[in-house]
Amino acid sequence: GAGVSQSPSNKVTEKGKDVELRCDPISGHTALYWYRQSLGQGLEFLIYFQGNSAPDKSGLPSDRFSAERTGGSVSTLTIQRTQQEDSAVYLCASSFTFSSYEQYFGPGTRLTVT
Amino acid sequence: DAKTTQPTSMDCAEGRAANLPCNHSTISGNEYVYWYRQIHSQGPQYIIHGLKNNETNEMASLIITEDRKSSTLILPHATLRDTAVYYCIVIDTSGTYKYIFGTGTRLKVLA
Repeated sequence: GAGVSQSPSNKVTEKGKDVELRCDPISGHTALYWYRQSLGQGLEFLIYFQGNSAPDKSGLPSDRFSAERTGGSVSTLTIQRTQQEDSAVYLCASSFTFSSYEQYFGPGTRLTVT
Repeated sequence: DAKTTQPTSMDCAEGRAANLPCNHSTISGNEYVYWYRQIHSQGPQYIIHGLKNNETNEMASLIITEDRKSSTLILPHATLRDTAVYYCIVIDTSGTYKYIFGTGTRLKVLA
């Protein structure tokens, strides 16, 4: 079946612009997670959703970052006034429930801020 | 901060067993050990997980020491396609299930 999909796969933007990254989780998965991976680094947790609510936003690096999820499905991560340090691969994962063992990851969106 | 430490890199000959160690000396009773791998330019892929018993599936085996302070992921017959970064993660099952990734072990399988 279809896995987690993310769009766009690549995004190049100018410093100061806003960007929106989209995640389509596996159908029926209620939990959704956002991570980012800077060049040569491990993955950094950003935020997770259970349904449409986000109980844990502790990983968002600044108030320029926000995320929402609607209809218990698609999620959008928005970065306002992008900075060069925001350049990274942004990964989305979903799991069947909040307490499911396995998270399924999408291919990521590579964001480059020039 | 990640609760695990792993060697930065390892090499393994094709067809041989790859044994990837992980130290998680501060693990608590309700925390599971998970292993994921990330092949270049892809999202991480689940491999296996365990609490205190050894586990085996079609991809790998997981050996957890009796005191649970360390574990080893075993790929019994490594192939070139197993070249990847392998992450060992401990998950608090009473918490948010968010993953705290370390820097992982870069495994290179050599022909």
